Amino acid sequence: KQEVTQIPAALSVPEGENLVLNCSFTDSAIYNLQWFRQDPGKGLTSLLLIQSSQREQTSGRLNASLDKSSGRSTLYIAASQPGDSATYLCAVNDSGYALNFGKGTSLLVTP
Amino acid sequence: DAGVIQSPRHEVTEMGQEVTLRCKPISGHDYLFWYRQTMMRGLELLIYFNNNVPIDDSGMPEDRFSAKMPNASFSTLKIQPSEPRDSAVYFCASSLGGQGAAGANVLTFGAGSRLTVL
Repeated sequence: KQEVTQIPAALSVPEGENLVLNCSFTDSAIYNLQWFRQDPGKGLTSLLLIQSSQREQTSGRLNASLDKSSGRSTLYIAASQPGDSATYLCAVNDSGYALNFGKGTSLLVTP
Repeated sequence: DAGVIQSPRHEVTEMGQEVTLRCKPISGHDYLFWYRQTMMRGLELLIYFNNNVPIDDSGMPEDRFSAKMPNASFSTLKIQPSEPRDSAVYFCASSLGGQGAAGANVLTFGAGSRLTVL
């Protein structure tokens, strides 16, 4: 059974710092991996989707990388802002239909 | 489009009562997913539909849970009878196409229904 782990569980950084969130998964036979953002009391918003054949995807200040063979993905956030404060979840698609989620990293960016 | 719409946003009920959660997916999306989120277990897939047909309900905890999708624009998740351990946030999500290799599409989530069973 696929296990998705996110480290750290929580992270606090001062505004302006670059940061990396980590995601690992146990079964490398995946179709794709997605990163989501969840604000308190809200649903999830998809940030980036990386197909299994891709190495990385970029959107604005966000860059996600995928190393399928080692079962790892990272989400890089450049020049962090207080508005980036949220929980970031990694999700792996290994069945072709549904996503397996990690428990997320709670990020706080302080002014 | 207004996105995925869920109701109610909050529900407080007593143990043993029936609970019905509702979802309106994005128009044109052919996949619909029900997830449950708790602090302990994170996000868990309960069931998903393709073109209104249930495809995989292996995540449904037990017979007290049932889900229907009578048409492309409406789905319900019902818990009868409810128990305190059912307290969680229930999310509905939809997508165009599946999440598989042939057409990986972005999953759009609703805002969730927070259920508290006393």
